[in-house]
Amino acid sequence: QSVLTQPPSVSAAPGQKVTISCSGSSSNIGNNYVSWYQQLPGTAPKLLIYENNKRPSGIPDRFSGSKSGTSATLGITGLQTGDEADYYCGTWDSSLSVLFGGGTKLTVL
Amino acid sequence: EVQLVQSGAEVKKPGESLKISCKGSGYSFTSYWIGWVRQMPGKGLEWMGIIYPGDSDTRYSPSFQGQVTISADKSISTAYLQWSSLKASDTAMYYCARSTGPYYGMDVWGQGTTVTVSS
Repeated sequence: QSVLTQPPSVSAAPGQKVTISCSGSSSNIGNNYVSWYQQLPGTAPKLLIYENNKRPSGIPDRFSGSKSGTSATLGITGLQTGDEADYYCGTWDSSLSVLFGGGTKLTVL
Repeated sequence: EVQLVQSGAEVKKPGESLKISCKGSGYSFTSYWIGWVRQMPGKGLEWMGIIYPGDSDTRYSPSFQGQVTISADKSISTAYLQWSSLKASDTAMYYCARSTGPYYGMDVWGQGTTVTVSS
């Protein structure tokens, strides 16, 4: 069981919006930056969001990140079938380690 | 193009040693950290540790401390992850990834190295 809690799965129709939550504590999310990663089937993870809400170059603005207290949220608008993937949040923890959430499988119906 | 290229798949027996590599190109290798992430079959991501090739400063996850060794050779822009005695439970995909520091996101990932440990 991960210290960072994500829903195991979310789903939505093409064109719709979905949010994925990541819940932690003051030992991790509450005092550190959150990153979000997309892992398409059979591929390496890809950075989507860093420092809570910043997008690397090349990441469309359909992807957004936010943080409030000890929780963070990834938002995806205008869903496409190509967005079907596993999504992970990650952050530093006071245990002196980076933690990842358990991952959320996104299904675009 | 900034990229990390990892060594190929490995099949080993329990008790054997192994060293896998991650070669950086297209950027200043000594100016970024390189982290290692494990993904067991069908499971999520686990952070193992990170190294700064500029001065070899290395940090380990408590879960992996003593189980693996992370190193780097800046002369050939390559980071390494090694085991002295593999176990079946080390069977996994291992990714290296670049970062500006342990507290920040990992922006460039290698393609992954599959390690299979079986008798």
